[in-house]
Amino acid sequence: NAGVTQTPKFRVLKTGQSMTLLCAQDMNHEYMYWYRQDPGMGLRLIHYSVGEGTTAKGEVPDGYNVSRLKKQNFLLGLESAAPSQTSVYFCASSTDGGSYNEQFFGPGTRLTVL
Amino acid sequence: AQSVSQHNHHVILSEAASLELGCNYSYGGTVNLFWYVQYPGQHLQLLLKYFSGDPLVKGIKGFEAEFIKSKFSFNLRKPSVQWSDTAEYFCAVNAPVAAGNNRKLIWGLGTSLAVNP
Repeated sequence: NAGVTQTPKFRVLKTGQSMTLLCAQDMNHEYMYWYRQDPGMGLRLIHYSVGEGTTAKGEVPDGYNVSRLKKQNFLLGLESAAPSQTSVYFCASSTDGGSYNEQFFGPGTRLTVL
Repeated sequence: AQSVSQHNHHVILSEAASLELGCNYSYGGTVNLFWYVQYPGQHLQLLLKYFSGDPLVKGIKGFEAEFIKSKFSFNLRKPSVQWSDTAEYFCAVNAPVAAGNNRKLIWGLGTSLAVNP
């Protein structure tokens, strides 16, 4: 049972380049989330999904797109990377979004945009 | 909008000192409360959680937290910290964010704890 995995672990992009971050979970969780973590700003929710085929915007969705084609995978895309998107990105999953919303996190992806 | 406040942004302690990290939230109804920990270079992991029952919750590694409904608080405590407790600590509250039953996890900004050996 690997839990939540993320690929890649590190990536350096030039401004304007695109990339996709992959998150996978093997716990059969319905809910999945993408966060970014920046110094002094804590965790901010980018997008989330309440089930296969669904996505929704979080606090800071601009510049990102997501897809949840399979229940176990949640992809985060950057179409045209900007230096402001330099951050550490965490994926998480949970059984539901209601009362028992314990989230399980992946190891993170450190992205630098030059 | 609901919010979570962690008043201590940076805390520096010596080993064996006692720890208390503050967490306050703004929602007056039923909440579920969490403390997560992020050790240097690692991902977040659950330290402890409160859903109902005894307001004094015990977690891993000797941590505990007390839910005080009247104060909207869920402070994290440890009687004697160790160097290995150096980490960032996040408080989170599961509460409604809109009318209806749409609940989300609302995060505090985190407290950075450094324990000197």
